Amino acid sequence: GQNIDQPTEMTATEGAIVQINCTYQTSGFNGLFWYQQHAGEAPTFLSYNVLDGLEEKGRFSSFLSRSKGYSYLLLKELQMKDSASYLCAVRDPDYKLSFGAGTTVTVRA
Amino acid sequence: GAGVSQSPRYKVAKRGQDVALRCDPISGHVSLFWYQQALGQGPEFLTYFQNEAQLDKSGLPSDRFFAERPEGSVSTLKIQRTQQEDSAVYLCASSSSRGEYGYTFGSGTRLTVV
Repeated sequence: GQNIDQPTEMTATEGAIVQINCTYQTSGFNGLFWYQQHAGEAPTFLSYNVLDGLEEKGRFSSFLSRSKGYSYLLLKELQMKDSASYLCAVRDPDYKLSFGAGTTVTVRA
Repeated sequence: GAGVSQSPRYKVAKRGQDVALRCDPISGHVSLFWYQQALGQGPEFLTYFQNEAQLDKSGLPSDRFFAERPEGSVSTLKIQRTQQEDSAVYLCASSSSRGEYGYTFGSGTRLTVV
């Protein structure tokens, strides 16, 4: 099975940087995804890591260390619209996603 | 279609009632997943289809839950004799292959059992 941990809540100021950590213990690993989910809406894809290192996409970056079972999502130049839940998900060799409980990020003016 | 469409958007059922939730995946997507998301939690895997074949149903919580995708496109998740613990958002996701390139989620059906 999969055990995925991420903080419950984080608060940051508009324009600042926030880092959301995710640790996982899995019986099989085939990639790690980050999704953003606004209340009442569908999760939307942010990033995907399968190899160690940093992936950068605009204001969002994601890092993976497979040996440590660790990933983080970095959100830069925070905007009010970034207030949402951020979900860390690990894919197993059978292509199923297992999700963490999500981190609620609140951006304050 | 342009995205994954789920209906109804909201469903209130009396305990013991049967419900059917529909998912229209992106046209041409062969893989389809159902997830259950309780309030304040991440989505939990229910079942997976590749075309019309149900390859994994290990996440279905009981034999009251049944899913089908008879023609390899639209899928229906059926819950019989609903219980209060079935109250959750049911999310559908589709992918163009086995998910190697990511998954597109629908907005979900919020089921409330009273």
